[in-house]
Amino acid sequence: AQSVAQPEDQVNVAEGNPLTVKCTYSVSGNPYLFWYVQYPNRGLQFLLKYITGDNLVKGSYGFEAEFNKSQTSFHLKKPSALVSDSALYFCAVSGAAGNTGKLIFGQGTTLQVKP
Amino acid sequence: GAGVSQSPSNKVTEKGKDVELRCDPISGHTALYWYRQSLGQGLEFLIYFQGNSAPDKSGLPSDRFSAERTGGSVSTLTIQRTQQEDSAVYLCASRLADTVLYFGPGTRLTVL
Repeated sequence: AQSVAQPEDQVNVAEGNPLTVKCTYSVSGNPYLFWYVQYPNRGLQFLLKYITGDNLVKGSYGFEAEFNKSQTSFHLKKPSALVSDSALYFCAVSGAAGNTGKLIFGQGTTLQVKP
Repeated sequence: GAGVSQSPSNKVTEKGKDVELRCDPISGHTALYWYRQSLGQGLEFLIYFQGNSAPDKSGLPSDRFSAERTGGSVSTLTIQRTQQEDSAVYLCASRLADTVLYFGPGTRLTVL
C-alpha cells in the first residue's frame, strides 16, 4: 500500500535557525512528491514538487526539499526560519501513476518558529 | 487571478439533514477533486472528475455522499442524512495539465 509518514507532529525552531520537516514515503514505481503548507483557516498552498531530475528542488518562500531514493525520504528544509513560516505542513505522494492529482497526504507537521 | 472558490465557508446543520457544498474551480482547469480534512483522519481523497470521463468515486466513505460536476466547471458535493462524524473541512482542488493541485479555502461543516 502507498503511504506517507511525517514522524513529527510538531517542530520547534528559533527564528534564523535552519529547519527540517521530515517525510518518508512508500509507493510503487517512481514517486511524485509534494509539499503543501496550510495557514490557519486557509486552504492548502503548494510549496514545491519532485517529479524527476535534480534531487534538490527549490520552491516558494525559500523552501527546498531533497529527494532521497535510497532512504525513501523527501524532507523539507529552509536555511533560515521566519516567524511567518509557522504553519501546518503536509507532505504528499501521488497514489496513482499518470494521475498525480489523487494525492496521499501525511498527517501533517506543525512548524512553530519562535522569535 | 481568481483561485478556487468554495461556498459556504461555514455550514452548521442538524443530524439527519442534507447539505450541499459548492466548488468553483479555476477557469479552464479540467480536473477537479474533493478532499476531506478532519482531526482524526487527516486529509482524505473523496472524488475526482476529469473532463467528460466517469468520476473516480473510490474515496467516498458511504453512499450518503455524492458529487456532480456540471458543464465541466462547477461541482457540488452532497451529503445526505448527515451524521456527526461527517463534521470536517471539505476542500476542493482543481488542476490543469501540470501536476499541481490548487486548493480552495474549504467549507467547514459542523453536524450537531
